[in-house]
Amino acid sequence: AAGVIQSPRHLIKEKRETATLKCYPIPRHDTVYWYQQGPGQDPQFLISFYEKMQSDKGSIPDRFSAQQFSDYHSELNMSSLELGDSALYFCASRRMGRTEKETQYFGPGTRLLVL
Amino acid sequence: SQKIEQNSEALNIQEGKTATLTCNYTNYSPAYLQWYRQDPGRGPVFLLLIRENEKEKRKERLKVTFDTTLKQSLFHITASQPADSATYLCALLGGGADGLTFGKGTHLIIQP
Repeated sequence: AAGVIQSPRHLIKEKRETATLKCYPIPRHDTVYWYQQGPGQDPQFLISFYEKMQSDKGSIPDRFSAQQFSDYHSELNMSSLELGDSALYFCASRRMGRTEKETQYFGPGTRLLVL
Repeated sequence: SQKIEQNSEALNIQEGKTATLTCNYTNYSPAYLQWYRQDPGRGPVFLLLIRENEKEKRKERLKVTFDTTLKQSLFHITASQPADSATYLCALLGGGADGLTFGKGTHLIIQP
């Protein structure tokens, strides 16, 4: 079965640079979530989109922005990168309206290292 | 404030025994609770969802209970195997947020 695809899988950036992470949800899934997981931490919710509109915002820094496109893929844009932004970034998707609509399916993550 | 607590210390269990993991929460009134498995460097994998009106749910060797009075969920793995070794995360929706809030996770080690 098709899963959530994230790219790139690994990314190394310098401080103050920008980064763009991409997420391709499971086909027919219309909702996308972004999470950040620091070393030894639990995943922290950043932001979510439903039908290309932002549906909720968590602990996303102002330096980050995201959007969902007409094909439902999503991009997380990160600017003025800081050392503390080094983490695993997960995208998750789900399809509203299904019986188990609450279940979120996670991608493999993008490991971002800021030097 | 809302809090989800899991035993963050590693849990060592002998192969073949039942592993029991605990998730306690405060200041939530969740309609449901979810359990995920996470292996190092990988994304969480959904295991089970239990609703507030369900006391118990099973899936193969997994069993979850949900006590909304105690504000606690127990996650059981019966006939445990070394391949069950992973971190297990409890997750809730809360505070009107659309995203999941996770506990810190319990690192389970099944010893052969």
